[in-house]
Amino acid sequence: AQSVTQLDSQVPVFEEAPVELRCNYSSSVSVYLFWYVQYPNQGLQLLLKYLSGSTLVKGINGFEAEFNKSQTSFHLRKPSVHISDTAEYFCAVSDRAYNTDKLIFGTGTRLQVFP
Amino acid sequence: DSGVTQTPKHLITATGQRVTLRCSPRSGDLSVYWYQQSLDQGLQFLIQYYNGEERAKGNILERFSAQQFPDLHSELNLSSLELGDSALYFCASSVFVGATDTQYFGPGTRLTVL
Repeated sequence: AQSVTQLDSQVPVFEEAPVELRCNYSSSVSVYLFWYVQYPNQGLQLLLKYLSGSTLVKGINGFEAEFNKSQTSFHLRKPSVHISDTAEYFCAVSDRAYNTDKLIFGTGTRLQVFP
Repeated sequence: DSGVTQTPKHLITATGQRVTLRCSPRSGDLSVYWYQQSLDQGLQFLIQYYNGEERAKGNILERFSAQQFPDLHSELNLSSLELGDSALYFCASSVFVGATDTQYFGPGTRLTVL
């Protein structure tokens, strides 16, 4: 069964510092990968997704992620964070082999940006 | 604003009761998904409908059921509620089917079972 591991439950960082949120997936076949953000008391919003092609994916709000097949990772990065980036971030996977639409989510990483 | 609406925003009820959560997808979206977010289980896929038909099922309890109506809105029915059913329930929608299609999430319904 597919699974997604987000190793860090919380990541504290100062404003304007770079950040990396880690995500590893376990699947023996091709996958689609996603990062979603959840602001307090809101639903999830898609940041970016990897379907195929270039392994470096750029998303909204200055975020980017790199797909690494050999390490089964899809880490999210931002070179300079803002206070407004404080939120919960979820990595998700969908298994292409089973042609399924459902998303399997990680447990989330709470990014806390301090002034 | 994703364009997906969910009602009610909050629901407080007692064990053993039955509730109905409602979701209106974005205009033109044919596919509706339900997810449950709880502290111990995280975000879990429950069920998906496409154009009125059930397409996929996840870890949905037998006490839970859903349907999608001809106007494409969907309802999630939860019965014989238990304390452990307390969670945030999200609805998402996408245009068609296929994991490449972006799922847009609603703001959620927070269910509290006392």
